[in-house]
Amino acid sequence: DAGVIQSPRHEVTEMGQEVTLRCKPISGHDYLFWYRQTMMRGLELLIYFNNNVPIDDSGMPEDRFSAKMPNASFSTLKIQPSEPRDSAVYFCASSAQGFNQPQHFGDGTRLSIL
Amino acid sequence: GQSLEQPSEVTAVEGAIVQINCTYQTSGFYGLSWYQQHDGGAPTFLSYNALDGLEETGRFSSFLSRSDSYGYLLLQELQMKDSASYFCAVNRDDKIIFGKGTRLHILP
Repeated sequence: DAGVIQSPRHEVTEMGQEVTLRCKPISGHDYLFWYRQTMMRGLELLIYFNNNVPIDDSGMPEDRFSAKMPNASFSTLKIQPSEPRDSAVYFCASSAQGFNQPQHFGDGTRLSIL
Repeated sequence: GQSLEQPSEVTAVEGAIVQINCTYQTSGFYGLSWYQQHDGGAPTFLSYNALDGLEETGRFSSFLSRSDSYGYLLLQELQMKDSASYFCAVNRDDKIIFGKGTRLHILP
């Protein structure tokens, strides 16, 4: 079975540009999570969805960040406009039944904002 | 505030046993998870303790004491491929918090 699929794997862009990260969760998983990982702050939960509905976006750092899940097999995380401090690895994960179940992570998107 | 504490680095010898501790100062959290992450890779799930006590999965075991806000991951018969970062995470129904991770170095 395919795992969580993220694209792109790497993204390098100039500050001020719009960045869109994409995620396809494991089929049948009702929960989807977006994380950001940096050396300084570790792994931070940004937002999560249950059955395509955003449940908690309190981890989203600023209004420049937005996430959508138009259907059960696709989600996006958008940063507009991007800033150098947004440089990080962004992970998408999915699970069958929320936080009490194992989360399956994608390979991540390594984002560099110049 | 809410925080998890785990050592930043641990070094052990191949074939030995190592324990990685995790303590937390959070309220309302009841489950403890462990994830492994190799350099450049994604976190992968290792274990989950929903109840106090010991959970064993092959060479790995995990322990939780909610009254002490403490848990640990025990790795036995260490192999070079176990060199990675290990993250503990505490959860409740609506939230999860990860520790900063422990980097495990294994010497031949």
